[in-house]
Amino acid sequence: QSALTQPRSVSGSPGQSVTISCTGFNTVAAGDMYVSWYQQHPGKAPTLMIYDVDKRPSGVPDRFSGSKSGNTASLTISGLQADDEADYHCSSYAGTYELVFGGGTKLTVL
Amino acid sequence: QVQLVQSGAEMKKPGASVKVSCKASGYSFSGYYLRWVRQAPGQGLEWMGWINPNSGNTNYAQKFQGRVTMTRDTTTDTAYMELSGLTSDDTALYYCARAGVRGLLKSPLDYWGQGTLVTVSS
Repeated sequence: QSALTQPRSVSGSPGQSVTISCTGFNTVAAGDMYVSWYQQHPGKAPTLMIYDVDKRPSGVPDRFSGSKSGNTASLTISGLQADDEADYHCSSYAGTYELVFGGGTKLTVL
Repeated sequence: QVQLVQSGAEMKKPGASVKVSCKASGYSFSGYYLRWVRQAPGQGLEWMGWINPNSGNTNYAQKFQGRVTMTRDTTTDTAYMELSGLTSDDTALYYCARAGVRGLLKSPLDYWGQGTLVTVSS
């Protein structure tokens, strides 16, 4: 059982926006600013999409945005494209050393 | 360019051990923490532990303590993860990943290895 909770699946049509939630920050200590999101296409390694709640690494389109409010962090993808179809994993820290992940969300582009 | 290249797939019997390697290139190996993460079939990501390639210091997730050993060889810029007492529950893809800010453990994982599939079956 993951320390962070994500919906198993979300879906949207091309051009639409979708938001993926990640809850559980009331039980994950010292993780307020350390939320990351990873995209994982089938058979591939994860790729960093968002870090420190809302920062994008270079090369990540600004269609991807992150936020956090209270117990929940969110990843929003606007202008959905077919290639956005993938699994998305949130992560943060519990304590000084422990990295925790959500269970992952499968995004389907209809 | 930064690359993490892992060793090939392994098939092991229950009770055996497996040692996965992760060879780094394109950056200063000693300057960045490495984390090991695994993913069971159809499941999410699970953190196993980290190693400081400079000092060799490690920290393991409680779930794996006593079964996992992480080491590194700075002469070849290679990190290793050895897991013992394998069971079918250890069947998974094992990834190494770099903590992306130099010298900072709590930094996002910006580069990942391609993954090593470990299958445990009798």
